[in-house]
Amino acid sequence: EAQVTQNPRYLITVTGKKLTVTCSQNMNHEYMSWYRQDPGLGLRQIYYSMNVEATDKGDVPEGYKVSRKEKRNFPLILESPSPNQTSLYFCASSLARANNEQFFGPGTRLTVL
Amino acid sequence: GENVEQHPSTLSVQEGDSAVIKCTYSDSASNYFPWYKQELGKRPQLIIDIRSNVGEKKDQRIAVTLNKTAKHFSLHITETQPEDSAVYFCAAIINNAGNMLTFGGGTRLMVKP
Repeated sequence: EAQVTQNPRYLITVTGKKLTVTCSQNMNHEYMSWYRQDPGLGLRQIYYSMNVEATDKGDVPEGYKVSRKEKRNFPLILESPSPNQTSLYFCASSLARANNEQFFGPGTRLTVL
Repeated sequence: GENVEQHPSTLSVQEGDSAVIKCTYSDSASNYFPWYKQELGKRPQLIIDIRSNVGEKKDQRIAVTLNKTAKHFSLHITETQPEDSAVYFCAAIINNAGNMLTFGGGTRLMVKP
């Protein structure tokens, strides 16, 4: 089954404790991205990747890191989480570029205390 | 950068009525405009998209119109049904390279039986 998976689905952590949210797709998509969703603000892009070893900042990259060492995986890293990073996070992938259908993962709800 | 504004933020209609959601964008170079539907607790899913070389696109009860001169595009849902209740997001490509999507703030549509 073609899909995008994320782990964990729920996470409660404390300020400053490094964490990684994994994202994996099995559709051989070139483009992958991370979004955060906050009430009234829609989906805001954090980082995106055009292909392996090609990543770039989105609208709200501060406090986040990403890597794309393999085509299928695109982990999101929070080196020192803060309460303002409490949010619902979605990973997405598409065949190529952002002007194609984005396939979203199930989401990760993160709470930083 | 690109700015996408979406109105209204909430919309309540009676079953069988039509619903219209409007979005405006700021970058005249934008050329791809998708609409995503997010049901409660679920991931966003593409329902329809339009590219700048056409002015209207239909898919059964859903249609999207694009006015490039005025820089706005709209989602039209006819004969609404309770299962149309969800949050709808519009989006636009942020740059000519087609690398980034900017989303509107979302519209919560409630269809009353």
